[in-house]
Amino acid sequence: QVQLVESGGGVVRPGTSLRLSCAASGFSFSSYGMHWVRQSPDRGLEWVAVTSNDGTHKYYADSVKGRFTISRDNSKNTLYLEMNSLRPEDTGLYYCAKGPRPYAHWGQGTLVTVSS
Amino acid sequence: EIVLTQSPGTLSLSPGERATLSCRASQSVSSSYLAWYQQKPGQAPRLLIDGASNRATGIPDRFSGSGSGTDFTLTISRLEPEDFAVYYCQEYQSSAETFGQGTKVEIK
Repeated sequence: QVQLVESGGGVVRPGTSLRLSCAASGFSFSSYGMHWVRQSPDRGLEWVAVTSNDGTHKYYADSVKGRFTISRDNSKNTLYLEMNSLRPEDTGLYYCAKGPRPYAHWGQGTLVTVSS
Repeated sequence: EIVLTQSPGTLSLSPGERATLSCRASQSVSSSYLAWYQQKPGQAPRLLIDGASNRATGIPDRFSGSGSGTDFTLTISRLEPEDFAVYYCQEYQSSAETFGQGTKVEIK
């Protein structure tokens, strides 16, 4: 069965960086686009970024464009989210989700807290 | 950006009752691109409905979706104890998809 396991969250200061990972199993990872979606009490559910199955096409929410980078390693069945210049409003639970939309498969999430 | 507004914010009902949840879009959304999710505390969202009215795999038939254009509805015909949760609508017509703010269905 499809399994998505996020990791890498933590408590960080504003302006710093963090890299999230999502380990995938139970499906042909290299055949599917993958997404990051975050959730917070203030902003609710918010789509963050998507990468195509081969990593050549990537799209971002305006709120993270230029600061976050989505990538994937199909040889390791792993999705990444590199987050730079973090802001307090980036605080939330970050989920990876298997494409296509809508999302039938989500991970359990990894918590990112940006606070001074 | 398409803004989705869900109402009511909270719905207080008893088991066995019918629940009707609304999702209104700021601009027209193709029915093919409207979904509903259920979320329980400590869990990721669970896909219930895609294409406005198609139940996802394994979803009981007490859940149904309808609507078109800017007005969409999720109906739970008879609430079971496990149905008390938060429900979100999502449009995925736009490249930057959006979610509604959620409706909490709580036990009266």
